[in-house]
Amino acid sequence: EVQLVESGGGLVQPGGSLRLSCAASGFTFSSYWMSWVRQAPGKGLEWVANIKQDGSEKYYVDSVKGRFTISRDNAKNSLYLQMNSLRAEDTAVYYCARSHWGGPSYYYMDVWGKGTTVTVSS
Amino acid sequence: SYELTQPPSVSVSPGQTASITCSGDKLGDKYAFWYHQKPGQSPVLVIYEDIKRPSGIPERFSGSNSGNTATLTISGTQAMDEADYYCQAWDSSTVVFGGGTKLTVL
Repeated sequence: EVQLVESGGGLVQPGGSLRLSCAASGFTFSSYWMSWVRQAPGKGLEWVANIKQDGSEKYYVDSVKGRFTISRDNAKNSLYLQMNSLRAEDTAVYYCARSHWGGPSYYYMDVWGKGTTVTVSS
Repeated sequence: SYELTQPPSVSVSPGQTASITCSGDKLGDKYAFWYHQKPGQSPVLVIYEDIKRPSGIPERFSGSNSGNTATLTISGTQAMDEADYYCQAWDSSTVVFGGGTKLTVL
């Protein structure tokens, strides 16, 4: 069974750091782009970052550039999101998603984890 | 930056056809994708590359994309289809989501 399991969420103070992890199973992790998508309470989906199969390309939404870093360890079938200088507006459920890249034509997510909750508050 | 616009809500009677639109500049020149999300659950891909259905998605879900508008159509809508629906596109190495549409089946 294809599965993604996020972990690492929690309560953190503004300015703090958190590292999210996503454990993949049931598919060849190293063959896929991967993404992080978040959803603030009561709000819509917002893409956060994505990473190429070998980690050589990474993209971020403007609001997290310079603060968040996406990475992966193909040997461990794991995806990560290092989040620094956290702000209240980063409060959200963070989803890990298996992704498909088609060059300039398309990019989409076909398998999603259940998410991990990040709360930034003093 | 690229934007996708969806109506906040759509209502449909059981058994009828629901249409949810997604508008963006020259969206028809890109591929559109659709996800649904039920309360407390993760998003699920229901349409990819404008018109394709992933395995396990019922045939009543279909998509189209032309001009500036992509449309998700649900034929013979069922109570279980009540959910939030999001469109998505890829522009300048950025994933863009629409704001979401709450589909109510009543």
